[in-house]
Amino acid sequence: DTEVTQTPKHLVMGMTNKKSLKCEQHMGHRAMYWYKQKAKKPPELMFVYSYEKLSINESVPSRFSPECPNSSLLNLHLHALQPEDSALYLCASSQVAGQIPYEQYFGPGTRLTVT
Amino acid sequence: AQTVTQSQPEMSVQEAETVTLSCTYDTSENNYYLFWYKQPPSRQMILVIRQEAYKQQNATENRFSVNFQKAAKSFSLKISDSQLGDTAMYFCAFMKQGKVGSQGNLIFGKGTKLSVKP
Repeated sequence: DTEVTQTPKHLVMGMTNKKSLKCEQHMGHRAMYWYKQKAKKPPELMFVYSYEKLSINESVPSRFSPECPNSSLLNLHLHALQPEDSALYLCASSQVAGQIPYEQYFGPGTRLTVT
Repeated sequence: AQTVTQSQPEMSVQEAETVTLSCTYDTSENNYYLFWYKQPPSRQMILVIRQEAYKQQNATENRFSVNFQKAAKSFSLKISDSQLGDTAMYFCAFMKQGKVGSQGNLIFGKGTKLSVKP
């Protein structure tokens, strides 16, 4: 199973709502990632978890709150978002071993619209 | 800081022909890895090919091959016998060798939109 799943596929939320994005993988990967991708742009890294611990936070606003409850799950909690946060949110996972950067497997993404 | 540059925003190629996508990067690191990822319209991003900087031999994966010139910091992707399913956005990406037990930042270029025409 080389699949990363993300739910929901689409999400529309108001600026006062609280919502969560979910990501799941069953490949035994111990690194998981959140990326934000605007239309016709490359993905921008937001967070990296290694062994369920937050290892990289790319100065993301606190209205985005990541959580890694176990090695297979990654959540992104959203609160008080702005219209400019509308984007495709991608989850990815990879192996972690030594210092070697391994291939990242991407999910299909959640298309988020903030109204 | 590392940067990745893809100078061709869009390209097109006829089915069955060969096309080369260019990528250059800038880094002071000696140990790093380079990747080409493919993102078809409304579909998942997948890895096309990967190159370790310490390897002189160019990586190949079926119809996909790279021309890795370390001194020139160039990493181009050649697609042979182009197929309609190759239509996608192609991203060149860089990652330096990280700390033990962790993964680092995958730095993407801006992408090249490739259209394969029948």
